[in-house]
Amino acid sequence: EAGVVQSPRYKIIEKKQPVAFWCNPISGHNTLYWYLQNLGQGPELLIRYENEEAVDDSQLPKDRFSAERLKGVDSTLKIQPAELGDSAVYLCASSTGDTQYFGPGTRLTVL
Amino acid sequence: GNSVTQMEGPVTLSEEAFLTINCTYTATGYPSLFWYVQYPGEGLQLLLKATKADDKGSNKGFEATYRKETTSFHLEKGSVQVSDSAVYFCALPDGAGGTSYGKLTFGQGTILTVHP
Repeated sequence: EAGVVQSPRYKIIEKKQPVAFWCNPISGHNTLYWYLQNLGQGPELLIRYENEEAVDDSQLPKDRFSAERLKGVDSTLKIQPAELGDSAVYLCASSTGDTQYFGPGTRLTVL
Repeated sequence: GNSVTQMEGPVTLSEEAFLTINCTYTATGYPSLFWYVQYPGEGLQLLLKATKADDKGSNKGFEATYRKETTSFHLEKGSVQVSDSAVYFCALPDGAGGTSYGKLTFGQGTILTVHP
């Protein structure tokens, strides 16, 4: 069974530029999560989807972050414009019960 | 919401030493408990889980027992290897069950380094 796929794995951009991350969850998993992991810390939730619906986006900085999950499968997380403090690892996870499975993450560096 | 406290690291051991990483939790109800491992430059991998009190999760020689009395879920391994060097996270979900379990709340992570 294929795991959660994310791309790109690494991204380096200059501040104020836009950036987008893509996630393909495990087949059949209705719930999809985006987490932010800062260096030396545990992941923190940005947004959770149940199928196409964003059911928890309370921690998503909506002035610059946006996300979508069209057709309830793949998802895209966007930052526009990026700031220096956005440098981190962005993790996507999916679940069909209480167990979440994570992708390899996208490491973003903002210069 | 639910919370988890994980022992501070880093932890440095010699190969074949015994490992314990402490984790205690505060939760409403009795959610499943998880240990995830993160190898350098990679995402989080599920290491083991336990779904109810007194359950023991195990995988790759690692074990953890869901202790309701002490609200703990300590990770143990009898003989560590160099390849076990990684960051270990204790976690539990916010949701109480049903069809949606909400986000995972993670401990701060424990860096384990094993020397030959």
